[in-house]
Amino acid sequence: NAGVTQTPKFQVLKTGQSMTLQCAQDMNHEYMSWYRQDPGMGLRLIHYSVGAGITDQGEVPNGYNVSRSTTEDFPLRLLSAAPSQTSVYFCASSPYQGNTIYFGEGSWLTVV
Amino acid sequence: GEDVEQSLFLSVREGDSSVINCTYTDSSSTYLYWYKQEPGAGLQLLTYIFSNMDMKQDQRLTVLLNKKDKHLSLRIADTQTGDSAIYFCAETATTGGFKTIFGAGTRLFVKA
Repeated sequence: NAGVTQTPKFQVLKTGQSMTLQCAQDMNHEYMSWYRQDPGMGLRLIHYSVGAGITDQGEVPNGYNVSRSTTEDFPLRLLSAAPSQTSVYFCASSPYQGNTIYFGEGSWLTVV
Repeated sequence: GEDVEQSLFLSVREGDSSVINCTYTDSSSTYLYWYKQEPGAGLQLLTYIFSNMDMKQDQRLTVLLNKKDKHLSLRIADTQTGDSAIYFCAETATTGGFKTIFGAGTRLFVKA
């Protein structure tokens, strides 16, 4: 009954540090994506993947890297954290061409 | 590029109907969704509609789609205080590999 699992739930980083947000799903979904949520901005797409080995940029990709070595995992890497990356991050998955998106519970990231 | 717009706030009295509106730009949209987000939580799928449908009803929820005007609405009948949340409109378009784009969210306030 796990669905989409994101870790960590909370993280404080110093400017310039790097870190990885982990995301895993156990539903064998092809499509996975990362969004960030900021007040008044809704959800903005950072990167997405339509299958293992395939990734592409979303609306706001700068400062983030992703990889998709397996169907289950889709980590999001912050290369050199900046205060502008303070946000809530959501990982999501869905069957490719499916009609339901499943979200993780969110990761609250603060960069000081 | 693709864009989804919705008003940021809506206030109604308990027992009244709420109507949340959304407009989108991508004419190749295949699925249109409404998600609900309660404070501190992730997004929960409320309902969805295929782009070849005009209306979908699910208990207290009615979704109307005007494909010509690219306008989607969510009506909540007999609104309750438990319906207070942020409601996100989203579309999945066939251009660009089935990306899902979200609106900024409409914050619904229900007054007792």
